[in-house]
Amino acid sequence: DTGVSQDPRHKITKRGQNVTFRCDPISEHNRLYWYRQTLGQGPEFLTYFQNEAQLEKSRLLSDRFSAERPKGSFSTLEIQRTEQGDSAMYLCASSFTGGANYGYTFGSGTRLTVV
Amino acid sequence: QQQVKQSPQSLIVQKGGISIINCAYENTAFDYFPWYQQFPGKGPALLIAIRPDVSEKKEGRFTISFNKSAKQFSLHIMDSQPGDSATYFCAASSETSGSRLTFGEGTQLTVNP
Repeated sequence: DTGVSQDPRHKITKRGQNVTFRCDPISEHNRLYWYRQTLGQGPEFLTYFQNEAQLEKSRLLSDRFSAERPKGSFSTLEIQRTEQGDSAMYLCASSFTGGANYGYTFGSGTRLTVV
Repeated sequence: QQQVKQSPQSLIVQKGGISIINCAYENTAFDYFPWYQQFPGKGPALLIAIRPDVSEKKEGRFTISFNKSAKQFSLHIMDSQPGDSATYFCAASSETSGSRLTFGEGTQLTVNP
C-alpha cells in the first residue's frame, strides 16, 4: 500500500449521465476526504469521513452528489445528472485522526470532463 | 472567514534564485499551515508545514516564515531549481473543523535554467 489510489484517472461523460469515482485510501488511515479542483484554482473541500461515518459536507456538495464509505475502507463519489460545471479534478485524501498534520496524503485525482 | 489569499499568481525566477510566495488568512482558529506542491496531472504533495507556535521552520531549501499577529505566512525556496517548477498552494486547517484544508489560489512557479 504505497498511497491513495483513485479510479478512473480520466472520465468523459455526456451531460445528464451519472458517474461514480472510487478512492482507496492508505489502509491505516481512518479519515477520508474528497476535494474538487478546477483549472487554475486550489482544491475545494467537498466532504469527509471518519471510518464509515460522513461527518461533514460542504455547501458545494449539491443534492446531485453523494459519497459513501460503506466499510470504512474505500469510498465512492457519485454525481447524478452531470452538468458541464461539474467538469473538474476530483481529489481524494486520507489521514489519521488528528487530520491535516497526520499523514494527510492526496491521490492523483480523477479528471472529469462533461461534454 | 475561511479564505486563504495567496500571491503572486505566477512567479518566474532564475536558477539559483530565491522564490517567495505569500499567504494571508482571516480565521484565527486555524492551527496548521501546510504548503503543497502540485505537478500537472498529479495530486498535491505536502512540502512543509508549520504550527502557529513557531515563527519559522526550515527543511532543506524550503523555509516557512509565520507571522501570527499579521495572520500571514510565506514560503521561501532557496537555490531554486528547474525541477521546482510547479504550482504551489498554501493551505490552512483547524482540528475543530475536522481538519479539512482551505487552500489558497495557487502560484505557478517557473524556474528558468
